[in-house]
Amino acid sequence: GNSVTQMEGPVTLSEEAFLTINCTYTATGYPSLFWYVQYPGEGLQLLLKATKADDKGSNKGFEATYRKETTSFHLEKGSVQVSDSAVYFCALTPNSGNTPLVFGKGTRLSVIA
Amino acid sequence: NAGVTQTPKFQVLKTGQSMTLQCAQDMNHNSMYWYRQDPGMGLRLIYYSASEGTTDKGEVPNGYNVSRLNKREFSLRLESAAPSQTSVYFCASIYGSHTEAFFGQGTRLTVV
Repeated sequence: GNSVTQMEGPVTLSEEAFLTINCTYTATGYPSLFWYVQYPGEGLQLLLKATKADDKGSNKGFEATYRKETTSFHLEKGSVQVSDSAVYFCALTPNSGNTPLVFGKGTRLSVIA
Repeated sequence: NAGVTQTPKFQVLKTGQSMTLQCAQDMNHNSMYWYRQDPGMGLRLIYYSASEGTTDKGEVPNGYNVSRLNKREFSLRLESAAPSQTSVYFCASIYGSHTEAFFGQGTRLTVV
């Protein structure tokens, strides 16, 4: 079946540090891949997405590249800010059919000044 | 656009009481989902509806029922609430494959 595995948290970084959150997936066919962010007390919102191999999604300084050969979609940011503190979820939507979208377990990021 | 609207935002129930969580989307999306999120944990799928008129169980369906009333609305019912159902519940909708999901703001439910 389809599944997403992302690195366990929590992750604590100093402001301006480099961030990587690893995400790998298992899926049949060619899923679309997403990163969602959840700020405290809020629902999830889309951070970035990629719909085919080698696509790079980017938003707010975050980037992730769809790597089919390694089945990965790692999230990176060159210089984190305190305001980036949140929980980050990697997710996929299957290529077709009625199977539901699949989320990783989430990684909590805390950025300290 | 309102997006995905959940009601209520907060609720406290006594053990054994019943209630229905409402979710509506105005984006003409085909699929809708109910998740629960417990403290320090990720999202667990309760039920989903791939299209109007269909519903399917997710990872943790026990103790819940759903109704896809029409294309816009997808409700979640707790027939006899238990303390183990204390959680934050999120509704989400999606147009189709390869498109992003939109989430409601959540319903914080406490069962005492």
